[in-house]
Amino acid sequence: GAGVSQSPSNKVTEKGKDVELRCDPISGHTALYWYRQSLGQGLEFLIYFQGNSAPDKSGLPSDRFSAERTGGSVSTLTIQRTQQEDSAVYLCASSYTSSSSYNSPLHFGNGTRLTVT
Amino acid sequence: KQEVTQIPAALSVPEGENLVLNCSFTDSAIYNLQWFRQDPGKGLTSLLLIQSSQREQTSGRLNASLDKSSGRSTLYIAASQPGDSATYLCAVWAGNQFYFGTGTSLTVIP
Repeated sequence: GAGVSQSPSNKVTEKGKDVELRCDPISGHTALYWYRQSLGQGLEFLIYFQGNSAPDKSGLPSDRFSAERTGGSVSTLTIQRTQQEDSAVYLCASSYTSSSSYNSPLHFGNGTRLTVT
Repeated sequence: KQEVTQIPAALSVPEGENLVLNCSFTDSAIYNLQWFRQDPGKGLTSLLLIQSSQREQTSGRLNASLDKSSGRSTLYIAASQPGDSATYLCAVWAGNQFYFGTGTSLTVIP
């Protein structure tokens, strides 16, 4: 596609419910990243994928958070038993490579705004 | 752990002024630095990427510099316009993830 696509753009859910957020990266981009942005806060790294594998899951806040990527393309971020502190904008980004000689810009989607009531 | 700081947090300037945004990082072992722009309710748009071996990059009215040894980067915006109003973020790639600053919120007053 022309850019990174995220769905849904907005999600309101009740506390305790599970949610699934989707990211469609730019075609051919091997690296995919998930970030979280809370109101007035900077970007918080969650996880990144190189192909289908996730070399770095260190940013996932708790075991309620999980992510997968299939076919080296679409990724889903799942939050189980949502809590109010999970409310934030979840941003996905992709790039051509994630190697140490990285020189490809990072492209972001418009994010999913999650509100947990 | 890499820490990225942006000063000032907010900036308001009259249209037409030249301005400089600052970004500093604590660990000079980076592979590149990228400047982004974020409009309200939107994702981040890449503006400029400077590889660690480079000193500066230019795109139109934007010029970004990098001094890796001192852990600093600046984004220079010439002849600012109201459409430049947005939040500007810098990020460094340290080989495992991007580390982002908290951004500078820029308002250009017509």
